[in-house]
Amino acid sequence: QTVVTQEPSLSVSPGGTVTLTCGLTSGSVSASDYPSWYQQTPGQAPRTLIYSTKTPSSGVPDRFSGSILGNKAALTITGAQADDESDYYCVLHMGSGIWVFGGGTKLTVL
Amino acid sequence: EVQVLESGGGLVQPGGSLRLSCAASGFIFNTYAMSWVRQGPGKGLEWVSGISGSGRDTFFADSVKGRFTVSRDNSKNIVWLQMNSLRAEDTAVYYCAKLGYCSSLTCWPDYWGQGTLVTVSS
Repeated sequence: QTVVTQEPSLSVSPGGTVTLTCGLTSGSVSASDYPSWYQQTPGQAPRTLIYSTKTPSSGVPDRFSGSILGNKAALTITGAQADDESDYYCVLHMGSGIWVFGGGTKLTVL
Repeated sequence: EVQVLESGGGLVQPGGSLRLSCAASGFIFNTYAMSWVRQGPGKGLEWVSGISGSGRDTFFADSVKGRFTVSRDNSKNIVWLQMNSLRAEDTAVYYCAKLGYCSSLTCWPDYWGQGTLVTVSS
């Protein structure tokens, strides 16, 4: 069974740049997996940040960007701010209408 | 204004059933697919199910296939998630999402509800 992988935790300094990645235990992630990214703070509903690899959702600050880096999807935050401290999830489309979430990355800004 | 509102959560015994509702407004309901995503206590997000705008096509995660069904009434702007044979591991907040960002091949959520809590326990 293929599992979607994310770093369990990362940290970044205010104003710094951090890249979160989304991979597969078997194989590479490509644009045809239609990766998307979601932000969630405790007790809140998820918020869609990026879809279709790199398209930002409406209202998302341009410091958030999506890409494919090597064999993984990536979410880069450039100029991190304190309120970027959240959990971040990627999702890959596995075909036949099936999505699979990664385990999430807890991002600390300090 | 687009709104997505889940209801129907609660406490149910293992092996029991529950039906969640997702009431939507502010958009042309029958033109958008909808999805259910859940989050167990202290856990990550898990995609559960999806349904096309017409209701003709439905999709399920392996973890719920054969136990959950999804349907919609486009005249009432409601999606339902019928959950049968519930297990302790189905305990979660269940979110409903409108899939408003679409390419030619797939769609992604643009609006999320606030969730409804399902607790499976004796």
